[in-house]
Amino acid sequence: DAGITQSPRHKVTETGTPVTLRCHQTENHRYMYWYRQDPGHGLRLIHYSYGVKDTDKGEVSDGYSVSRSKTEDFLLTLESATSSQTSVYFCAISDPGLSSYEQYFGPGTRLTVT
Amino acid sequence: GENVEQHPSTLSVQEGDSAVIKCTYSDSASNYFPWYKQELGKRPQLIIDIRSNVGEKKDQRIAVTLNKTAKHFSLHITETQPEDSAVYFCAASRIGEYGNKLVFGAGTILRVKS
Repeated sequence: DAGITQSPRHKVTETGTPVTLRCHQTENHRYMYWYRQDPGHGLRLIHYSYGVKDTDKGEVSDGYSVSRSKTEDFLLTLESATSSQTSVYFCAISDPGLSSYEQYFGPGTRLTVT
Repeated sequence: GENVEQHPSTLSVQEGDSAVIKCTYSDSASNYFPWYKQELGKRPQLIIDIRSNVGEKKDQRIAVTLNKTAKHFSLHITETQPEDSAVYFCAASRIGEYGNKLVFGAGTILRVKS
């Protein structure tokens, strides 16, 4: 597996609390992505980054923010968690400069909002 | 934006038979079509991908075909084995300088019966 880790791997939190998920890579890949996975929906893009401090919204960005202050870390923040944000969150990395458009996924974070 | 539909949602085959999963996409500008396999509790992993300038690609028992005119692409697995049992996702994207924003289908649960 590509050098990509996520933390925490599991989290239970209460409605209304802030939550930050971390994605860390050791591959020096330019692009990083956050997806959520829910039954019946496949994976849906939340936010992505195309460089340090360069981020943009995906298809389901409401209620989420991201930051990327260095190449290796991409943080996803739920400012005020809601039950609808209970999901499995995957981070992914890619670098077309390697002649491949493959996205490598992290191990995932299972988030439960009670 | 892009929309990807995937069929069937579940597929059961006998070991040794072939399996076919089909996807349609809506954005004619999409030019990259990967297929991911996800085993229970694991991360999605790329099994094969195809660019829009290619009509077919094979890798051992796996093949993908693309029909740009009809905007659909298919995954073909021959001589299925029990270890092929997993969830398969198709995706589509338009590769650009800001990255590779994948839009996924809802997934197909493949069961290979021995």
